[in-house]
Amino acid sequence: GAGVSQSPSNKVTEKGKDVELRCDPISGHTALYWYRQSLGQGLEFLIYFQGNSAPDKSGLPSDRFSAERTGGSVSTLTIQRTQQEDSAVYLCASSLTSGLNEQFFGPGTRLTVL
Amino acid sequence: QQPVQSPQAVILREGEDAVINCSSSKALYSVHWYRQKHGEAPVFLMILLKGGEQKGHEKISASFNEKKQQSSLYLTASQLSYSGTYFCGTETTPGAGSYQLTFGKGTKLSVIP
Repeated sequence: GAGVSQSPSNKVTEKGKDVELRCDPISGHTALYWYRQSLGQGLEFLIYFQGNSAPDKSGLPSDRFSAERTGGSVSTLTIQRTQQEDSAVYLCASSLTSGLNEQFFGPGTRLTVL
Repeated sequence: QQPVQSPQAVILREGEDAVINCSSSKALYSVHWYRQKHGEAPVFLMILLKGGEQKGHEKISASFNEKKQQSSLYLTASQLSYSGTYFCGTETTPGAGSYQLTFGKGTKLSVIP
């Protein structure tokens, strides 16, 4: 079956503009995660969705970052008023349920803020 | 708290063994290991639960020492395909309503012929 997909694969934007990143999880997976990976760094947790529960937003670095998940499937990560330090690869992952389950990662969106 | 991985990087010749360590300052409930090849998404290797469980995946295995709050990944008779960056992700609070993993900075493993 299809894996996790993300779009766009690359996004170049100017400082101050808003961007939207999309994630399509594996069908049937109830848990969805967003991570940020900067050059040479690990995976930084951003936000987690599980079914219809309130999302865990504890990893969002500022109020410029927000995410939603519609219909328990597709998720959109929005970054408002982008800054150069937002440049990174944004990875989405999904798992069958939360907890002790393998996370399947998408290919990521490389965001470059000029 | 981000777990600390060591070493940061290691170069092996084919057939050699390696150990990658992941240490936490907090009590661990589970440890997850992933491998990421250059330009690709991370791929799951294994999950270990507290209790000193050891798991194996062909020639890649891992252990989890709950008392020491650390996990080790063992790669034996390394192959060229083992090259990549290995990340450990730790979970410290089970069933608290969130299952976020905190990942280390990774260990870059290069296997050369």
